[in-house]
Amino acid sequence: DTEVTQTPKHLVMGMTNKKSLKCEQHMGHRAMYWYKQKAKKPPELMFVYSYEKLSINESVPSRFSPECPNSSLLNLHLHALQPEDSALYLCASSQDRGGDTEAFFGQGTRLTVV
Amino acid sequence: AQSVTQLDSHVSVSEGTPVLLRCNYSSSYSPSLFWYVQHPNKGLQLLLKYTSAATLVKGINGFEAEFKKSETSFHLTKPSAHMSDAAEYFCVVSDRHDMRFGAGTRLTVKP
Repeated sequence: DTEVTQTPKHLVMGMTNKKSLKCEQHMGHRAMYWYKQKAKKPPELMFVYSYEKLSINESVPSRFSPECPNSSLLNLHLHALQPEDSALYLCASSQDRGGDTEAFFGQGTRLTVV
Repeated sequence: AQSVTQLDSHVSVSEGTPVLLRCNYSSSYSPSLFWYVQHPNKGLQLLLKYTSAATLVKGINGFEAEFKKSETSFHLTKPSAHMSDAAEYFCVVSDRHDMRFGAGTRLTVKP
């Protein structure tokens, strides 16, 4: 199984809503990532978990809250988002952080904030 | 510090002609380099990777890339473009800690 599964595929939420994005992998990878991708732009790193511990937070606003319940799961909790947060949110995993191990990406969650 | 520059934001080729997507990198360490492809509204798929073994790397779908340390380049090529190659391509550099993406090159393939 070389898949990273993200749910939901699409999400529309109001600015006062609370929602969560989910990501799952069963490849035994120890690093998991959240990226944000705006249209016609490259993915921007948001968070990195390594061995279930948050190792990088790229100055992301607190309305985004990551969680890694176990080595296979990664969540992104969303609260009080702004319309400019509308984007494709990509989850990825790799055997370890950095180095020569490639990342496997999910299909993404298309988020629209209204 | 590491960075990657994709020299063309958009490349347009005719079906059956060669493809060249250019990438230059900067890294303080011996980097690993990757090319990913992204079709519209999809995730990213790995095309190929360089990890200090052979400098000419073959990937999926007929793509290959050559690592040239003297030129700090890792250009992606394909001998003959197919309509299904139309997509966004990202060059990625990775050192001991993290991956950094280039800005992307949009490949258009004309019939």
